Amino acid sequence: SAVISQKPSRDICQRGTSLTIQCQVDSQVTMMFWYRQQPGQSLTLIATANQGSEATYESGFVIDKFPISRPNLTFSTLTVSNMSPEDSSIYLCSVKESYEQYFGPGTRLTVT
Amino acid sequence: QKEVEQNSGPLSVPEGAIASLNCTYSDRGSQSFFWYRQYSGKSPELIMSIYSNGDKEDGRFTAQLNKASQYVSLLIRDSQPSDSATYLCAVNRGSNDYKLSFGAGTTVTVRA
Repeated sequence: SAVISQKPSRDICQRGTSLTIQCQVDSQVTMMFWYRQQPGQSLTLIATANQGSEATYESGFVIDKFPISRPNLTFSTLTVSNMSPEDSSIYLCSVKESYEQYFGPGTRLTVT
Repeated sequence: QKEVEQNSGPLSVPEGAIASLNCTYSDRGSQSFFWYRQYSGKSPELIMSIYSNGDKEDGRFTAQLNKASQYVSLLIRDSQPSDSATYLCAVNRGSNDYKLSFGAGTTVTVRA
């Protein structure tokens, strides 16, 4: 499976600021996704990152809060904007290969 | 009704025993079913995928699928302490939908 890396691995941010998370894949993939895993919870899909077009957001997530870029088939960014403590979560990118999805190592975000 | 439900756990089994994890899903159009293992502080790792009714075995893991009952399970034979983790059931959202819905997870502890 593809090798997926994320930067940063963790960060502590102040409320009201923004953080951009990078996801890099070692091969070209058509579909990339961003998920959130809140403390003690399961995974929730934020959006599908589409190459060359706007991301497709799930119910409850909006572009102003979570802008996503996908400039090519190996890279995507997720920005968490105007952060509040409720945004403290692990953010994960994943890629689809055939029918399966594989996850990056995640970014642990703490908002104070 | 939640899209994907798992037995709540936690599940504690002695070393060498069989751990049995269950998952039910609500969308009859779902066609792809996955089990992920997530160690504490790590990202989910795909351990099994199953697409057809019946059993699929991979080493000590067996996935079982019954589409008529909308039920998928994972058996871990000869459980080892290294199997202690949270196991997430994931199901695609419907026919021709690649997006995944995740269950809340079942935490398994294998007692040495």
